[in-house]
Amino acid sequence: SQKIEQNSEALNIQEGKTATLTCNYTNYSPAYLQWYRQDPGRGPVFLLLIRENEKEKRKERLKVTFDTTLKQSLFHITASQPADSATYLCALVRNSGGYNKLIFGAGTRLAVHP
Amino acid sequence: SQTIHQWPATLVQPVGSPLSLECTVEGTSNPNLYWYRQAAGRGLQLLFYSVGIGQISSEVPQNLSASRPQDRQFILSSKKLLLSDSGFYLCAWRGDRRNEQFFGPGTRLTVL
Repeated sequence: SQKIEQNSEALNIQEGKTATLTCNYTNYSPAYLQWYRQDPGRGPVFLLLIRENEKEKRKERLKVTFDTTLKQSLFHITASQPADSATYLCALVRNSGGYNKLIFGAGTRLAVHP
Repeated sequence: SQTIHQWPATLVQPVGSPLSLECTVEGTSNPNLYWYRQAAGRGLQLLFYSVGIGQISSEVPQNLSASRPQDRQFILSSKKLLLSDSGFYLCAWRGDRRNEQFFGPGTRLTVL
């Protein structure tokens, strides 16, 4: 079955630095991969999508890369701020029975310290 | 614009009691709807999805059931709750352009 792995340990970084989160997957070749942000007690919020034929996608201070050979996506936040502190989830799309479903990783908690 | 509602926000129920969680979507028609459960420190587990009224697909065998009585209403139910049913329940609908999912505020369920 498909498996997504994200670093379960929290990532602690200093304000202004670049945060890099990793998402690895196995047993599947998704057409695209998504990243979400989740704050405590809230539902996840969609951030970015990257397709298998795209190496990199940017949105403001966010950058996502997608390496289908390594089966890995990296999520970068440049010039990080304390407000970026949250849990970040990656999700791959699985087509089952003609319908697209998302398989989520457990998420990595990011803490940005002033 | 589209909005998604869930209620109640929090719920504490004894083991063996019934459950009914409701999710409604506004501003879109015929959405694909999803129920997820998130246990503490765990990822989102897809429980059910629905592509239309009365059409429910179950992802994993469990103590729960789902129904879609109206286009924009999705209900999660149980006849007898177990301790293992505790968790954070999220309803979501799927966007058309990028297949992203929009999540509701969630229901925190504690079974004692």
